[in-house]
Amino acid sequence: EAGVVQSPRYKIIEKKQPVAFWCNPISGHNTLYWYRQNLGQGPELLIRYENEEAVDDSQLPKDRFSAERLKGVDSTLKIQPAELGDSAVYLCASSRGDRELEKLFFGSGTQLSVL
Amino acid sequence: KQEVTQIPAALSVPEGENLVLNCSFTDSAIYNLQWFRQDPGKGLTSLLLIQSSQREQTSGRLNASLDKSSGRSTLYIAASQPGDSATYLCAVTGGSYIPTFGRGTSLIVHP
Repeated sequence: EAGVVQSPRYKIIEKKQPVAFWCNPISGHNTLYWYRQNLGQGPELLIRYENEEAVDDSQLPKDRFSAERLKGVDSTLKIQPAELGDSAVYLCASSRGDRELEKLFFGSGTQLSVL
Repeated sequence: KQEVTQIPAALSVPEGENLVLNCSFTDSAIYNLQWFRQDPGKGLTSLLLIQSSQREQTSGRLNASLDKSSGRSTLYIAASQPGDSATYLCAVTGGSYIPTFGRGTSLIVHP
């Protein structure tokens, strides 16, 4: 079974430029999460999808961040324009959505550096 | 709002030692607690998941316990090896169904 696939692995951009991250979850996983992890910190949720519906995006900075999950499978997270403080690792995770058995599977993440 | 704290923040031990990592959370109304491992520059790998009705889970040299009433979990690693060196994170899932993470414990096991 293939794991969660993210791309790109690394991204270096200048501030004010746009950037996009892509995630392909494990087949059959209805729930998809985007987390941001700063150095030395735990992951913090940006947005959670159940199928194609964004059910929790309260922590997503909507003035510059946007996300979509077309057809309830792949997802894209976009930042426009990027700021220096956006430098972090962006992690995608998926799960079956079994509530108490909500085991998360993470991708390798995208390390973003904004110069 | 759920808050998750992990102690210690960092730990360095000689190979072979048994060790305990701690995780505490403020809201005991949880569905489950998970322990993850994260290697440098990598994503997170799930180690153990304990449902709210369970007291512990075991996998190989790892044993995780859960005391929901006191808001605590421990991860016990027996006979540590250099390959165990990584950051260990715990995450609790409550009524919002959103896993909330601690900052992790950075573990170094030296030969």
